[in-house]
Amino acid sequence: DAGITQSPRHKVTETGTPVTLRCHQTENHRYMYWYRQDPGHGLRLIHYSYGVKDTDKGEVSDGYSVSRSKTEDFLLTLESATSSQTSVYFCAISPGLAEAYEQYFGPGTRLTVT
Amino acid sequence: KNEVEQSPQNLTAQEGEFITINCSYSVGISALHWLQQHPGGGIVSLFMLSSGKKKHGRLIATINIQEKHSSLHITASHPRDSAVYICAVNFWGGTSYGKLTFGQGTILTVHP
Repeated sequence: DAGITQSPRHKVTETGTPVTLRCHQTENHRYMYWYRQDPGHGLRLIHYSYGVKDTDKGEVSDGYSVSRSKTEDFLLTLESATSSQTSVYFCAISPGLAEAYEQYFGPGTRLTVT
Repeated sequence: KNEVEQSPQNLTAQEGEFITINCSYSVGISALHWLQQHPGGGIVSLFMLSSGKKKHGRLIATINIQEKHSSLHITASHPRDSAVYICAVNFWGGTSYGKLTFGQGTILTVHP
């Protein structure tokens, strides 16, 4: 299994509070991704990174920001959590050696915003 | 619009049956992925393919680039195959950084 962890694994927070989710990898992979998974919508890309300090928006980026100061860590921040951000969040990594490559997924973080 | 459609959305089978899950996509791709997610569990990559056919154990994935269609087959299904199967693609178009577009998933339940 690819060395990829997410923390926390579960979190309950209140509306309006900031939340940061961490993705950590030990594979030295270049690309990292944050997805959310919701019933009826499947997996959707929030943000991705193609290198240290290189990030860009995905299809559902509103209300989220990311940072990548080291190869191994990709942080997702909800600046002011809303109930619509209750979801399961998955991080994924990819070597980025070609245009298309397998992605390896973390175990997920279940976030509940009350 | 770049879209991925899966069918069926739900599939129930008896142990031992041959199962097929279908995936179609709207425009050209560089690769197609099949993923598996067990209830409450993480997501595992089963196959990545850009042409032809791949086989791993009882799982077979095929792709027809001209038809923009892929199938995932499970032979001699078993209750442990019960999971959500997700199709995802890398669409062509500039530098996509390996970004995936996902289908909605197919919920498979195999009864003993």
